[in-house]
Amino acid sequence: SYELTQPPSVSVSPGQTARITCSGDALPKQYAYWYQQKPGQAPVLVIYKDSERPSGIPERFSGSSSGTTVTLTISGVQAEDEADYYCQSADSSGTYPFGGGTKLTVL
Amino acid sequence: EVQLVESGGGLVKPGGSLRLSCAASGFTFSSYSMNWVRQAPGKGLEWVSSISSSSSYIYYADSVKGRFTISRDNAKNSLYLQMNSLRAEDTAVYYCARVGSVATIEWFDPWGQGTLVTVSS
Repeated sequence: SYELTQPPSVSVSPGQTARITCSGDALPKQYAYWYQQKPGQAPVLVIYKDSERPSGIPERFSGSSSGTTVTLTISGVQAEDEADYYCQSADSSGTYPFGGGTKLTVL
Repeated sequence: EVQLVESGGGLVKPGGSLRLSCAASGFTFSSYSMNWVRQAPGKGLEWVSSISSSSSYIYYADSVKGRFTISRDNAKNSLYLQMNSLRAEDTAVYYCARVGSVATIEWFDPWGQGTLVTVSS
């Protein structure tokens, strides 16, 4: 399966916009998905099919795609958004790679 | 409410075996593909295995192929992971995760709370 690359960390002040990227050669052909994981908790889906938001996820979470890079954008970051974020995609061989994760710190 | 509850984790010696279970409720289990995803302590997420709704399609990560076996019992609304020849690097929290909808196999939602497997002598 192919690799997905994320920055290890992103830091923003409350109220600012956080952007977390995920790069992978197959992303132009495969959708990306984003999960939020807070300490001691299971991951939660926040974006599916590059830019769709599940019910119950705040509107400040959005996703976009351009070429081999997808981006999770959190507008008006709140303290409660501090978490690890993982991108994930699908491989044509039936496997599901995850990115290495990005720790979002709210300053 | 959709619920996934894992069990069966624990401490096992290298080379040993363990069987994880995931009890599902709140949805039509037999209609959804299911997955196991693990997370080593302080590390990221790693997809382990997936099984289609009728068990017709099964996939494994290279890291567990030949050692782990995924299965399900739709009559019991349960998912299983038989883990053999365990290694220290298999130490992780193992999550059971449903696919997002019956029409997809690509994303995972929701997830269980996880069960910890520790492989150590």
